[in-house]
Amino acid sequence: GAVVSQHPSRVICKSGTSVKIECRSLDFQATTMFWYRQFPKKSLMLMATSNEGSKATYEQGVEKDKFLINHASLTLSTLTVTSAHPEDSSFYICSAAREGNIYEQYFGPGTRLTVT
Amino acid sequence: AQSVAQPEDQVNVAEGNPLTVKCTYSVSGNPYLFWYVQYPNRGLQFLLKYITGDNLVKGSYGFEAEFNKSQTSFHLKKPSALVSDSALYFCAGGAYQLTFGKGTKLSVIP
Repeated sequence: GAVVSQHPSRVICKSGTSVKIECRSLDFQATTMFWYRQFPKKSLMLMATSNEGSKATYEQGVEKDKFLINHASLTLSTLTVTSAHPEDSSFYICSAAREGNIYEQYFGPGTRLTVT
Repeated sequence: AQSVAQPEDQVNVAEGNPLTVKCTYSVSGNPYLFWYVQYPNRGLQFLLKYITGDNLVKGSYGFEAEFNKSQTSFHLKKPSALVSDSALYFCAGGAYQLTFGKGTKLSVIP
């Protein structure tokens, strides 16, 4: 159990367009989902925390108007990169915490975004 | 606030030898510590965690970690390394929002 999926796994888009990344908990209900960004050979940087049915909490320095997060259900959160630019190219990883167990996060496989 | 540090960018070990990947932490309250492994172009896989209880924590794939309060360390260990253990390892801390170390690349040499 505790499988998290992300879609798409890879996406290439043109500068100025928007891209949506989905994160799903497949076999459990996730009260909280987290979005991370990982640069090559670097650690994960927490971008935002989203709770089902409420607004996401963004980390300092993360533009909430650029990285739109929606957590509409207990199994789905989406990250939309709006007006993408080449510097947004990165590996985006989501994680989900089970309802009642916030101490253990289950990570998705990641989405490689390339903005040309 | 909680922070973790991984002092080594890379660790090389011969197959069959014991391996250690180091992690130290800094926390104002009770530490919540985790180890994750990442294979290329993949997300993170959970290995083990320390919340409370025994200082020696056993996890997936034969890995274990020892919580040492006096040394503020949570080193990851395995008695006999496999080539398939080669990957990027992250130590993380936090009760809710995780703070990650910079990662340590483990290379197991056949």
